[in-house]
Amino acid sequence: KNEVEQSPQNLTAQEGEFITINCSYSVGISALHWLQQHPGGGIVSLFMLSSGKKKHGRLIATINIQEKHSSLHITASHPRDSAVYICAVMRGGNKLVFGAGTILRVKS
Amino acid sequence: GAGVSQSPSNKVTEKGKDVELRCDPISGHTALYWYRQSLGQGLEFLIYFQGNSAPDKSGLPSDRFSAERTGESVSTLTIQRTQQEDSAVYLCASSLYWTDTQYFGPGTRLTVL
Repeated sequence: KNEVEQSPQNLTAQEGEFITINCSYSVGISALHWLQQHPGGGIVSLFMLSSGKKKHGRLIATINIQEKHSSLHITASHPRDSAVYICAVMRGGNKLVFGAGTILRVKS
Repeated sequence: GAGVSQSPSNKVTEKGKDVELRCDPISGHTALYWYRQSLGQGLEFLIYFQGNSAPDKSGLPSDRFSAERTGESVSTLTIQRTQQEDSAVYLCASSLYWTDTQYFGPGTRLTVL
């Protein structure tokens, strides 16, 4: 079993829909990252969080340390949100362990 | 300011040759990371530098891989006697400190023939 599990693996949504991507992990962590990777593009860090909730524009990330679970929400989704979303947990103070990613496609 | 830069952007080499990949982090960032993204494998941690501390090399897949960083500036990742399974995108990231957001470079796509 991977240390970091994401669901779903693939997600297709209609423009405007509310989207949730989930991440569960099995180890103690110091922080959790949500990353975005566009096709052929680089990786952008969306959030780094160790507790509670963070919001940036239409994106919201939450984490429940006790349940070892985090969610990334996208409100009012848009085709430009189409990308791979990757959850990564920070272990040992500095080492990131990555989930397999969720491929999101938002159709207009 | 400038982001993280990597060179070359693409590298094609023959099996058995050595390659050197370069990363220029954001100025002032004390932490620097190397990752690898292989087709079908996802992202994996390779090595981490924090200031003048000893690097965390726990992710390096074999002793053919090594990395250096001069102070808090440029880092090079060297792969000796390349194998076909080394083909991947090698990504560098830097952060102000290990507790901060990481900024990723565009990556170097390595193809070993």
